Amino acid sequence: AQKITQTQPGMFVQEKEAVTLDCTYDTSDQSYGLFWYKQPSSGEMIFLIYQGSYDEQNATEGRYSLNFQKARKSANLVISASQLGDSAMYFCAMREDYYGNNRLAFGKGNQVVVIP
Amino acid sequence: ETGVTQSPTHLIKTRGQQVTLRCSSQSGHNTVSWYQQALGQGPQFIFQYYREEENGRGNFPPRFSGLQFPNYSSELNVNALELNDSALYLCATLEASGTDTQYFGPGTRLTVL
Repeated sequence: AQKITQTQPGMFVQEKEAVTLDCTYDTSDQSYGLFWYKQPSSGEMIFLIYQGSYDEQNATEGRYSLNFQKARKSANLVISASQLGDSAMYFCAMREDYYGNNRLAFGKGNQVVVIP
Repeated sequence: ETGVTQSPTHLIKTRGQQVTLRCSSQSGHNTVSWYQQALGQGPQFIFQYYREEENGRGNFPPRFSGLQFPNYSSELNVNALELNDSALYLCATLEASGTDTQYFGPGTRLTVL
């Protein structure tokens, strides 16, 4: 069963606008971590932001913020003031086994293209 | 820059051959994971090494094997290559912290003909 769902089609965003990328997840664990990564066309996965399941406040990291709704099992990424360099694939990932194996389960990604 | 490097950058092999991919870890990152990313998909977990021992494996056959060395660098070996092994192979090292964030290398793109 798919644990991370990212279903939005490719998105075009105007430069300086905000964009929200949807991510829903499925787990029965109480302790888990949620991550967002950016993958430009070069291929490298770049860590953006982390949200722990017990964190009461939404994570923020510069222009990135995470809208965490635990009851809905969603962890949407918000990118504010989009820049041309934000054009990339964005992946949501979940780590379930906090104290043991640290495998990440990834969604299929959201394509974002920022236009001037 | 994550400090994680991978070699080679690109590789072309034929079916049935064997391949070795390499990953070097940042100092102090004693856990390394390998992921396979097929075109248009998210990465899939292959396995993880912690202090030179395999510490978890995804749904990959035994022809995918690995090693971790005392300096925490790592190898991914794939035997009897198949066409659908063509993918981007990513390694990630783990910073032991409250978040256990994994930092990825640039990947090796493997093409099997």
